[in-house]
Amino acid sequence: AQSVTQLDSQVPVFEEAPVELRCNYSSSVSVYLFWYVQYPNQGLQLLLKYLSGSTLVKGINGFEAEFNKSQTSFHLRKPSVHISDTAEYFCAVSEVDSNYQLIWGAGTKLIIKP
Amino acid sequence: EAGVVQSPRYKIIEKKQPVAFWCNPISGHNTLYWYLQNLGQGPELLIRYENEEAVDDSQLPKDRFSAERLKGVDSTLKIQPAELGDSAVYLCASSLGRPGDIQYFGAGTRLSVL
Repeated sequence: AQSVTQLDSQVPVFEEAPVELRCNYSSSVSVYLFWYVQYPNQGLQLLLKYLSGSTLVKGINGFEAEFNKSQTSFHLRKPSVHISDTAEYFCAVSEVDSNYQLIWGAGTKLIIKP
Repeated sequence: EAGVVQSPRYKIIEKKQPVAFWCNPISGHNTLYWYLQNLGQGPELLIRYENEEAVDDSQLPKDRFSAERLKGVDSTLKIQPAELGDSAVYLCASSLGRPGDIQYFGAGTRLSVL
């Protein structure tokens, strides 16, 4: 993957409202796609990944993402957010025949408003 | 099962001093990664090991940074001498090293160079 773009640096949303965090990538070959979450002062933890098959992927904590090959996107969604979802979310892409290198987006801070 | 363990969690040093970070990966993970993460950015790969061999160190600033993974288990990342611009979080991750495998991250070492 040449690059990964997370257009929104911050997304504020009210508690129990739905949220979508956007991720777009540029690559001309098949890719693997990942979403990681980073809680304050912690390392990164995998939320979900897409390798192949169904384009709708479900992850932990009620998150899901949909792979759209034509739009080269992998947006993350949750129907109802909780205060505990406050964290930074990173999208990462790896080209299938690469040397396993992950290309990372800059991250999106999810801010939950009470 | 223990996750990826990094130490120390925090380190404050003066510029031109040396510093070292230690990482113990998940047992059985032959691939180990060191990343640098600046505030508000995604991780940037510094070096990747497969067992004890550094297979990708193209982004490691070799004039001041060095790393080793003796016996293909624990790893140490060293900076000598440190510069103000080295202030960042240094993350270690490990995986089984197959395409699409999850990378598991430690909590990181936050370095402040004064």
